[in-house]
Amino acid sequence: GQQVMQIPQYQHVQEGEDFTTYCNSSTTLSNIQWYKQRPGGHPVFLIQLVKSGEVKKQKRLTFQFGEAKKNSSLHITATQTTDVGTYFCAGPETSYDKVIFGPGTSLSVIP
Amino acid sequence: GAVVSQHPSRVICKSGTSVKIECRSLDFQATTMFWYRQFPKQSLMLMATSNEGSKATYEQGVEKDKFLINHASLTLSTLTVTSAHPEDSSFYICSASRASGASTDTQYFGPGTRLTVL
Repeated sequence: GQQVMQIPQYQHVQEGEDFTTYCNSSTTLSNIQWYKQRPGGHPVFLIQLVKSGEVKKQKRLTFQFGEAKKNSSLHITATQTTDVGTYFCAGPETSYDKVIFGPGTSLSVIP
Repeated sequence: GAVVSQHPSRVICKSGTSVKIECRSLDFQATTMFWYRQFPKQSLMLMATSNEGSKATYEQGVEKDKFLINHASLTLSTLTVTSAHPEDSSFYICSASRASGASTDTQYFGPGTRLTVL
């Protein structure tokens, strides 16, 4: 069945450094979604990418969907302590399939 | 907009008892609701998908007689963990989707319920 992987599992950065997490699917995805879960909190929707090669930006966050629609990345520029949390990617094979969540990348930011 | 609440936020119960968790969409109608389980430092595992007025669709390996799901209205879904045991202790999170539940619909997550079974 479909598998969604993320690397790295954990990342510790100094405040101000950049951070990138990568998401890879074993199958082509209809779309890719990114969520952020703060420690002790619940997942919060960040963004959805649908088109091959799509790039979207939200302030310091840049999201990219691969040309083959099998991978995606989230890049944070100049991390801040408010960026701390676990970032999950999620995607389905088709728009009618359930969304499969990746294992997440846990980001720690050292002030 | 798009606020989802869950109640209770925490529950501790004795082994063998049943626990009901409510998930409500407060400011929108949720045609589809999802129930997830999350173990510490792990990802979300989809348990079941429920559509208002119909039976829930359970994922492989999830016992439907143990995890009873009812989606009685467009704003309320309940998950009942029957005869709970310590291995059922987990963080249960619901999410709601405005539309038909297609994967392109954004899921809005509730705050989760921490269940501890003694």
